[in-house]
Amino acid sequence: LAKTTQPISMDSYEGQEVNITCSHNNIATNDYITWYQQFPSQGPRFIIQGYKTKVTNEVASLFIPADRKSSTLSLPRVSLSDTAVYYCLVGDGSSGGYQKVTFGTGTKLQVIP
Amino acid sequence: DSGVTQTPKHLITATGQRVTLRCSPRSGDLSVYWYQQSLDQGLQFLIQYYNGEERAKGNILERFSAQQFPDLHSELNLSSLELGDSALYFCASSVGQGEVNTEAFFGQGTRLTVV
Repeated sequence: LAKTTQPISMDSYEGQEVNITCSHNNIATNDYITWYQQFPSQGPRFIIQGYKTKVTNEVASLFIPADRKSSTLSLPRVSLSDTAVYYCLVGDGSSGGYQKVTFGTGTKLQVIP
Repeated sequence: DSGVTQTPKHLITATGQRVTLRCSPRSGDLSVYWYQQSLDQGLQFLIQYYNGEERAKGNILERFSAQQFPDLHSELNLSSLELGDSALYFCASSVGQGEVNTEAFFGQGTRLTVV
């Protein structure tokens, strides 16, 4: 299973774009990259998922370079309500999924007014 | 609202006691997962059930057990509780058997405090 490495914490001012990078050097061919968001005392919430290139939805963008050894979650114009922990997960559907993925400690994003 | 319901939201109990945490998955989801999140720690996978059968086991202690009933709700039983068992316990559900390329929906968690 691909191990992921992300910064422990980040600070950003309101209104700025935030980019959180996740490193996954031994990602496998079948692996997808998924990001979750967790607010204090709440369960994680799915944000975005991708396999390669760029994926965008209403809340975030996910950039994946051609070698797929890293990925970047981009949050446009963050607000105070984006203060949360962000988890990068890597795994596939063929060799077990959520039960084998380690959520780790994630990146704690603090948005400053 | 994720559609996953966990009860109770908070639980305070003494060491040595036994508690049961309950989870109702989203309608149509067949997989239920249990996770433990201690203070400043990531989510640790405990166990997964799929359509009533145990599918995978993680770092679940022998004092802990779980089951999934025919109506697909699940219960996590924690016995001989120790202070170190104090944590947030999350339940998640998904439609499939756990593929990461599908979305898992998490409940709000049960905060267990052992005193």
